[in-house]
Amino acid sequence: DIQMTQSPSILSASVGDRVTITCRASQNINSWLAWYQQKPGKAPKLLIYKASSLETGVPSRFSGSGSGTEFTLTISSLRPDDFATYYCQQYDSNSFTFGQGTKLEIK
Amino acid sequence: QLQLRESGPGLVKPSETLSLTCSVSGGSISSSDYYWAWIRQPAGKGLEWIGSMYYSGTTYYNPSLKSRVTISVDTSKNHFSLNLSSVTAADTAVYYCARQGSWYSKYFRHWGQGTLVTASS
Repeated sequence: DIQMTQSPSILSASVGDRVTITCRASQNINSWLAWYQQKPGKAPKLLIYKASSLETGVPSRFSGSGSGTEFTLTISSLRPDDFATYYCQQYDSNSFTFGQGTKLEIK
Repeated sequence: QLQLRESGPGLVKPSETLSLTCSVSGGSISSSDYYWAWIRQPAGKGLEWIGSMYYSGTTYYNPSLKSRVTISVDTSKNHFSLNLSSVTAADTAVYYCARQGSWYSKYFRHWGQGTLVTASS
């Protein structure tokens, strides 16, 4: 199985900050990576696919980059609605795996 | 607009089988463009993919659950189902169904709202 490791596990930041979350794969997954946002009690919401493609309707302050084994999700200027938990997911193989999550909390 | 809705018992006894159904509206489960998946999330923990199924019957399962999982599809009812046998307390989680793209788009764009299943006597 391909293991996905996110860092940090918890990120404290303020409204207006630029933040970056990292996701590392245990082997090359090309660009087959997605990012999700999840709020308490809700299903995850797709933000980014194919490492850097922004899902329709997602604000442009969200961006993704990377390929191979290292990927990042960047939020350019945090809004209050962005405080949530973020997950990466690889889909290079037919055994899909998620990172353990990064909780973005208000400083 | 595509909607997915999970249904099934919220309480399952240990050693018994968990059975859930995902009803799909606003789209056909027989489409060749998509897989249909189950994902779960224990309280306070991360997401775990359980398995995915193509309408033709092709399935992929999480290796850690493969011996206990069956996913099936009923095209006449436009729904798909999850059976997880021999449950333990560790299977207590919110279970989500989701639509997954095919080929090189196997991310989860559409999700149900989730249903909590507790394994307890």
